[in-house]
Formats: sequence, structure tokens, C-alpha cells
Amino acid sequence: DVKVTQSSRYLVKRTGEKVFLECVQDMDHENMFWYRQDPGLGLRLIYFSYDVKMKEKGDIPEGYSVSREKKERFSLILESASTNQTSMYLCASSGGTRNNEQFFGPGTRLTVL
Amino acid sequence: AQTVTQSQPEMSVQEAETVTLSCTYDTSESNYYLFWYKQPPSRQMILVIRQEAYKQQNATENRFSVNFQKAAKSFSLKISDSQLGDTAMYFCAFIWANAGKSTFGDGTTLTVKP
Repeated sequence: DVKVTQSSRYLVKRTGEKVFLECVQDMDHENMFWYRQDPGLGLRLIYFSYDVKMKEKGDIPEGYSVSREKKERFSLILESASTNQTSMYLCASSGGTRNNEQFFGPGTRLTVL
Repeated sequence: AQTVTQSQPEMSVQEAETVTLSCTYDTSESNYYLFWYKQPPSRQMILVIRQEAYKQQNATENRFSVNFQKAAKSFSLKISDSQLGDTAMYFCAFIWANAGKSTFGDGTTLTVKP
């Protein structure tokens, strides 16, 4: 089974801090994604990556950056956290022959005070 | 840009009955996939069912089936014989065939009542 893990389930940070959210997948998937999930807004794509060192902006990239130095790892970076970035962050990966099915991690609930 | 609309923010159904969740989308793409995902309370997002846009036959997975109307850009999910474990938020998703990039709907919260 595909396993997507995220470094933290819950995280509390202060305004202005630099925040790293880590995601690791174990199925050699080419594609990896970062979403944020807010009530009433569904899942919104922040960034995605289709290969090592490759990245593309999603629908809401402002205030975020990403890093993919290894195929299995995709990091989301909040350079200077703000209270409006308090949210649930979901990582996903896809690839192979599963018709682009995305496999999700458990999520990180980030609170910025 | 692609959009996905789930017009029912909340729904409820009695155990053992059938419920249909609606989803419409807008795209100019011809090659894509459609998915329904389920997110139980405080639990991980998992796939319910998938549909390839080039296939006319509606997908079925046990109690779950879809009604895919490509011309109308409609992709509804039918849950038969609803069970308490079906209580969850359900998301409809449009995923590009080439890059895997996706657009999700806002979700429908389904409650199955005993």
C-alpha cells in the first residue's frame, strides 16, 4: 500500500516564524502536491511537483514556497507565517499506473498565533 | 481554469437507504479523470471511486456508483444501502490526465442516521 506521511499532525507557530512542513511518500511517485483545507472552501492546491527539483504554482501559492530535492520528499515552506495561514495542510502523491489517483497523508493542522 | 461545484454542502440519509451526491465541473480539456474522495471525521482522505473521461460506462465499486454525463459535465455519486461508516465529507475531484494537477470541489458533508 502507498504510504504518505507528514512530519507533524499538529503544529503551533508564532506570527513571523519560518515553518517547514515535510511530506514523504514511499511509492516512487513522480507527482507530489500540497493543499490547504479550510471549512467551506474544500481543498485548494498550493504547489505541486512533477519531478525532482521541478515545481509549479497551484491556485494559492502566495506566501508559500516548496522544495523537492529528493523524489520521495516534498516540503512546504512558510517563509514568515501569518495568522491567515492557520489551516489544515494536506500532502498527496500520484504516479504510476493508477490513473492519477492521489494518495493523501494524514494532514498537519497548523495554528499560527 | 477548471472549476468543480458541489451544490450540496450538507446531506443526511437514513441507514440502509440510497443517497446521491451531485458534482458538476467545467473544463475545456478532453482527457481527464474524475474522482470521489471520502474524508471521515478526523481521518485520512481515501479514494471512493474513479472515472476515466474517455469511458462511457459508469464506474461501480460495490455500493458506490457514479452517473457520469460527459456532455453535461456532471459526475454524481450514488451510495446504496448507506451505512453508519459512510458518514464523512465527500469531495469530487477533477484531475488532468497529463500532469496530474487537480481541482477539488468544496465538499459535501454526509451524515448517515441510524
